[in-house]
Amino acid sequence: QKEVEQNSGPLSVPEGAIASLNCTYSDRGSQSFFWYRQYSGKSPELIMFIYSNGDKEDGRFTAQLNKASQYVSLLIRDSQPSDSATYLCAVNDDKIIFGKGTRLHILP
Amino acid sequence: DTGVSQDPRHKITKRGQNVTFRCDPISEHNRLYWYRQTLGQGPEFLTYFQNEAQLEKSRLLSDRFSAERPKGSFSTLEIQRTEQGDSAMYLCASSPGLAGYEQYFGPGTRLTVT
Repeated sequence: QKEVEQNSGPLSVPEGAIASLNCTYSDRGSQSFFWYRQYSGKSPELIMFIYSNGDKEDGRFTAQLNKASQYVSLLIRDSQPSDSATYLCAVNDDKIIFGKGTRLHILP
Repeated sequence: DTGVSQDPRHKITKRGQNVTFRCDPISEHNRLYWYRQTLGQGPEFLTYFQNEAQLEKSRLLSDRFSAERPKGSFSTLEIQRTEQGDSAMYLCASSPGLAGYEQYFGPGTRLTVT
């Protein structure tokens, strides 16, 4: 059974600081990795995807992938109160296998 | 393109009743997925379709659950003889291509079984 592990949090970060979210995955053969943001009562929203080792940047978001360590992370720069949400790490295995999510709270 | 849509958004039903949910994917997306999410958990895979073919079903999908995508466009998920444990958010997602492509979610249908 393939698994994705995340710290459930909550992770509290001051406004304007960098939020760092991490996850690990069990299947060394996994190829595609995603970060979804989910506000309370809403559906997941895709914010980043990464397929290759290294960093991928999109605006204030940077996804990092280390396949040797089976580790994926998401950095959010200049954190805003609107970034307060649950962040779901996911691995694509035809269907998506999600972690339980990390709750992020940006402190004004 | 209006994104993935789901209907209804909310459903309250009594234990033992049957319910049916509908999902309309993004046009030209040939893959359609169903997930279930309960409070404090990530979404859990239920089943998916490539066009009209149902390619995989999770062991979470008991024989009370059935899904169809008859013309390769919209899909329905039916739950027969609902139980209180079926209360959850049912999410539909679509994807433009084969394995590995990103998936886009609809707003979900929240089911409450009383």
